[in-house]
Amino acid sequence: DVKVTQSSRYLVKRTGEKVFLECVQDMDHENMFWYRQDPGLGLRLIYFSYDVKMKEKGDIPEGYSVSREKKERFSLILESASTNQTSMYLCASSPTGTGSYGYTFGSGTRLTVV
Amino acid sequence: AQKVTQAQTEISVVEKEDVTLDCVYETRDTTYYLFWYKQPPSGELVFLIRRNSFDEQNEISGRYSWNFQKSTSSFNFTITASQVVDSAVYFCALSENTGFQKLVFGTGTRLLVSP
Repeated sequence: DVKVTQSSRYLVKRTGEKVFLECVQDMDHENMFWYRQDPGLGLRLIYFSYDVKMKEKGDIPEGYSVSREKKERFSLILESASTNQTSMYLCASSPTGTGSYGYTFGSGTRLTVV
Repeated sequence: AQKVTQAQTEISVVEKEDVTLDCVYETRDTTYYLFWYKQPPSGELVFLIRRNSFDEQNEISGRYSWNFQKSTSSFNFTITASQVVDSAVYFCALSENTGFQKLVFGTGTRLLVSP
């Protein structure tokens, strides 16, 4: 069964900590995405990557960075966690090419910053 | 810019009722794709349907049906004879026709089906 796996389901971190959220997909997809989900705001794109070592800013990249050293792995980094980054974080992947195929999502990481 | 509006924040129904979730989109592209996803309490978003802008045929899958109308820029989702297991947050999404496959999501509609 093809999957997108997020390493943690729940995380609690302290303000100022550096936080790594990991995402791995086994579908050989070129594109990977990080979204955050907040009540009333839906899903907002933080960063995406269309190839190894390539990254593009989404709609809300401030306070975040990403790393994609291997095709199957896409990491989201909170350089100095703040309480307003408490949220559900969703990773997704999709193949590239003509048309649009939608995403396969991971099960999410609920991050609480205290 | 692309935008998806789901005006219904939350809908509550009783089991066996029919319910329609509304989705209105904005795009300047002539080729685009529309999606619906379901997010049950477990959190993982599950793909339900994809529709491209050249295919306005309505689609039915079991108790689920979708009505795509380009004239009103709407892509509405109807659940017939709702069940408790349909309780979830439902997201409508729009994609441009590029290799990057970026999706723009609506804010979601929470559906609560009571027994």
